[in-house]
Amino acid sequence: ELKVEQNPLFLSMQEGKNYTIYCNYSTTSDRLYWYRQDPGKSLESLFVLLSNGAVKQEGRLMASLDTKARLSTLHITAAVHDLSATYFCAVGRGRDDKIIFGKGTRLHILP
Amino acid sequence: GAVVSQHPSRVICKSGTSVKIECRSLDFQATTMFWYRQFPKKSLMLMATSNEGSKATYEQGVEKDKFLINHASLTLSTLTVTSAHPEDSSFYICSARVGGLGNQPQHFGDGTRLSIL
Repeated sequence: ELKVEQNPLFLSMQEGKNYTIYCNYSTTSDRLYWYRQDPGKSLESLFVLLSNGAVKQEGRLMASLDTKARLSTLHITAAVHDLSATYFCAVGRGRDDKIIFGKGTRLHILP
Repeated sequence: GAVVSQHPSRVICKSGTSVKIECRSLDFQATTMFWYRQFPKKSLMLMATSNEGSKATYEQGVEKDKFLINHASLTLSTLTVTSAHPEDSSFYICSARVGGLGNQPQHFGDGTRLSIL
């Protein structure tokens, strides 16, 4: 059974600081996704990572994937208040099209 | 970009009512759509996979007779919560994927907040 674990689950940080969210998963997968969710809203796709060593960057966010370690990271550089949201990683499960979500990391950036 | 439309965005109704939620892919065809449920400040739980022209596949623990799914066309899937009770109150979100397996993210609808009184 595929399990996806994120940590930390809650993060409060000052603007301008750097931090990393970790996503571990329990079984082999060839696809990993990061999503953002604002309060009361649906999910916005941030990154799709499909291969070992994949690194993608968008603005102050950078995501990477290590399939051997079954680990993905979402790194935040010089955080700004607008990045406050809940971030989910999700992992593709087997041959079907399903994805399993982590519990999410609630990020609160203090001005 | 790909757009998934979900309707209604919010429903408040009495216990015992059946509620239908629509999920449409507006600018692409989706042979597969997914239905999720999310409790406050919790993660998304996959409920079922909706397949165009065939029966939905339900995840373990999800009642098929309670949550009826119909995928009548390549752009529309519906979730009907039958005889809803307060414990069915939740945020329901649908998603669909553009293109081949895995190489595109799932695109999510805006969600439906269901409140059963």
